[in-house]
Amino acid sequence: DGGITQSPKYLFRKEGQNVTLSCEQNLNHDAMYWYRQDPGQGLRLIYYSQIVNDFQKGDIAEGYSVSREKKESFPLTVTSAQKNPTAFYLCASSQLNQPQHFGDGTRLSIL
Amino acid sequence: AQSVTQPDIHITVSEGASLELRCNYSYGATPYLFWYVQSPGQGLQLLLKYFSGDTLVQGIKGFEAEFKRSQSSFNLRKPSVHWSDAAEYFCAVGARSSASKIIFGSGTRLSIRP
Repeated sequence: DGGITQSPKYLFRKEGQNVTLSCEQNLNHDAMYWYRQDPGQGLRLIYYSQIVNDFQKGDIAEGYSVSREKKESFPLTVTSAQKNPTAFYLCASSQLNQPQHFGDGTRLSIL
Repeated sequence: AQSVTQPDIHITVSEGASLELRCNYSYGATPYLFWYVQSPGQGLQLLLKYFSGDTLVQGIKGFEAEFKRSQSSFNLRKPSVHWSDAAEYFCAVGARSSASKIIFGSGTRLSIRP
């Protein structure tokens, strides 16, 4: 079945540590996205990419970085500069001008 | 600026009762509109979308939504809810020039009373 796989499902970060969240899709979608979800705030866009080797900042990119070296992969790194990283992170993909499909998310917590 | 407002943070309805979740948007032109549903600890699933044409759109799981341009609304409805409908519901709006990038409302949590 085609879909989006996010791993791990749960992740813990120590102070001063960078962590990378994985997102892989086999839907052959051109565009991929990362969102952060906090209680009561809906989804906020961190980064998005509409084509391989290109990506743009979303509304809350500070403290995060991404890469898009392959069409099917869009990893997100939460750096130590992100002072409040505890959240639920969702990856999505779509064809241009089509609805987004979502993975099952990664919950990041601070130790 | 684009925005989406879901005025109801939490709604409780009885099983078998009808449901309407409100969504209002602010946008300079006719947007693309979506409703997504999220179960706890899960990703979002698309319920339905409006791109053009008939303003009453049918979705999965018996849901429908109506686009009302004059009211800038896209309310979600279901004639009879089931206990399995308990979840968080998100309305979203996208630009026709770049529907891939969309803005989400803050969500409405639906609880079902037995």
